[in-house]
Amino acid sequence: NAGVTQTPKFRILKIGQSMTLQCTQDMNHNYMYWYRQDPGMGLKLIYYSVGAGITDKGEVPNGYNVSRSTTEDFPLRLELAAPSQTSVYFCASSLSARIVTGELFFGEGSRLTVL
Amino acid sequence: AQTVTQSQPEMSVQEAETVTLSCTYDTSESDYYLFWYKQPPSRQMILVIRQEAYKQQNATENRFSVNFQKAAKSFSLKISDSQLGDAAMYFCAYRRQGGSEKLVFGKGTKLTVNP
Repeated sequence: NAGVTQTPKFRILKIGQSMTLQCTQDMNHNYMYWYRQDPGMGLKLIYYSVGAGITDKGEVPNGYNVSRSTTEDFPLRLELAAPSQTSVYFCASSLSARIVTGELFFGEGSRLTVL
Repeated sequence: AQTVTQSQPEMSVQEAETVTLSCTYDTSESDYYLFWYKQPPSRQMILVIRQEAYKQQNATENRFSVNFQKAAKSFSLKISDSQLGDAAMYFCAYRRQGGSEKLVFGKGTKLTVNP
């Protein structure tokens, strides 16, 4: 199994450009998450999904959009990129903590720089 | 809202010695999980250890163990026989059962291991 796969791993954007960070998992997990990590900080939740067709905002959703049309995929869309969105982005997935031990599985991260 | 606090931004330990990283959390829930994740320079988030709130026994994984004090809402990580490969950022995290089940992170502790 590949686990959680994120692409691209690195990207430089100009202010005002748009892009999509791709995330796919092959573990049939119903829960998926997007986090951002700013330098020297912990991870903050941007958006999450509890299943296909269901998404909701996390702590820092402004400037982002998501969709969840399939169980496997959870892309994150950045509209009108701003320097404040320079960060490392992590996608994660899991089964419900009611069923198993609650561990989230993380992708390797995508480093985004907005200039 | 649940919060996780790591009061030690940086810690250092001599190789082969023992170090304890602190974590406190705030929640009104009774069913939840606590985790320690390790993030080496490669950025990959690696699960170190997990603790189910309903279990009184402290979790252990080889050289890693926790001191879980539910009433005090404290969850510290002890690393025994520290190795150079233990050098990383360590994040304490909380996940409730039910609802969004999002993982809430502390800001992290940077651990340096001195040879």
